[in-house]
Amino acid sequence: EPEVTQTPSHQVTQMGQEVILRCVPISNHLYFYWYRQILGQKVEFLVSFYNNEISEKSEIFDDQFSVERPDGSNFTLKIRSTKLEDSAMYFCASHRGFNEQFFGPGTRLTVL
Amino acid sequence: DAKTTQPTSMDCAEGRAANLPCNHSTISGNEYVYWYRQIHSQGPQYIIHGLKNNETNEMASLIITEDRKSSTLILPHATLRDTAVYYCIVRVANRDDKIIFGKGTRLHILP
Repeated sequence: EPEVTQTPSHQVTQMGQEVILRCVPISNHLYFYWYRQILGQKVEFLVSFYNNEISEKSEIFDDQFSVERPDGSNFTLKIRSTKLEDSAMYFCASHRGFNEQFFGPGTRLTVL
Repeated sequence: DAKTTQPTSMDCAEGRAANLPCNHSTISGNEYVYWYRQIHSQGPQYIIHGLKNNETNEMASLIITEDRKSSTLILPHATLRDTAVYYCIVRVANRDDKIIFGKGTRLHILP
């Protein structure tokens, strides 16, 4: 069964450094998302992406965040200058355009 | 904000049916009821969804009341692997509609 994959599974970085989280959505999917989950808290929507542009973004998704689909398979989330409060699990999701979204296993980001 | 109300936690004995309730009294006519679950440290996993008819798949059954103001997710024979947080979500099945997660119900399957 096809699945969403994410790399790395765990990323440790120093405050102020740039990080890029990578996702490979399911191949025939058209809509892509990033969510995050701070430890012990709810899963929160960050951004949705369709047709090579952002469809919607949340208040969390400020100028420090960007997304890109650099080729036909990868979907990336970049945090330009990480803060301590960016420490969280980051989940990528994709879907074909209706019904359910499929989530990846997540990247645990730890900012020191 | 989430438009659903769920109990914070529930216990169920292994092998028994787990019945997880959800209230969604403000649901609109074009909104579906979706259920996802999140096993510890994993990504959310889709379980089932429905509009007004009861639905069943290989994972679970979804029972929606006639007035659509509440629903119940049924895991017919719960196993230890079903221990997870279960999210009841109300949303329109749009093309790019984000999912708004609440706190969900933490289901403990007891051996």
